[in-house]
Amino acid sequence: EAGVAQSPRYKIIEKRQSVAFWCNPISGHATLYWYQQILGQGPKLLIQFQNNGVVDDSQLPKDRFSAERLKGVDSTLKIQPAKLEDSAVYLCASSFGTDTQYFGPGTRLTVL
Amino acid sequence: AQSVTQPDIHITVSEGASLELRCNYSYGATPYLFWYVQSPGQGLQLLLKYFSGDTLVQGIKGFEAEFKRSQSSFNLRKPSVHWSDAAEYFCALTYLCYNNNDMRFGAGTRLTVKP
Repeated sequence: EAGVAQSPRYKIIEKRQSVAFWCNPISGHATLYWYQQILGQGPKLLIQFQNNGVVDDSQLPKDRFSAERLKGVDSTLKIQPAKLEDSAVYLCASSFGTDTQYFGPGTRLTVL
Repeated sequence: AQSVTQPDIHITVSEGASLELRCNYSYGATPYLFWYVQSPGQGLQLLLKYFSGDTLVQGIKGFEAEFKRSQSSFNLRKPSVHWSDAAEYFCALTYLCYNNNDMRFGAGTRLTVKP
């Protein structure tokens, strides 16, 4: 069974630029999550989707972050404009319903 | 509010020695508890989970964890550590509120294995 796929694996941008990350969850998993993991910390949930609807985006900085899952499968997370403090690993996870979450390899973002 | 505490930021053990990583949680009811491992540059891999039932749970790679309600703890153990176990370990909890599966992670414990 294929795991959660993410791309790109690494991204370096200048502050105030835009960036987008892509996630393809495990086939059949209706629930998809985006996490931000700052160096030295545990992951923090940014947004949770159930199919193509948002369940929880209370910790998403909506002035600069956006996410979508239009067809209930793939998802994109966008940052516009990026700040230095956005440097982190962005992890995507998926689950069958609200069961165990399975994580992708992450995208490491460096904002200069 | 629910939270997870991993008191040890960094632990060093010798290869072949036993290991125990501590995890304490704060939550009003019994949460669902997890241990994940993260190798450098990799995502999180699930080691084991506790939902209910037997409080001693077995996981992959020879790991086990014990849920102790009286101590609000879910410590991870391994009887004999291998060099390949060097990684970052995260304890996490989640609870179900309608469809919300907000998972809270501890800050992690970095494990170094000496030859």
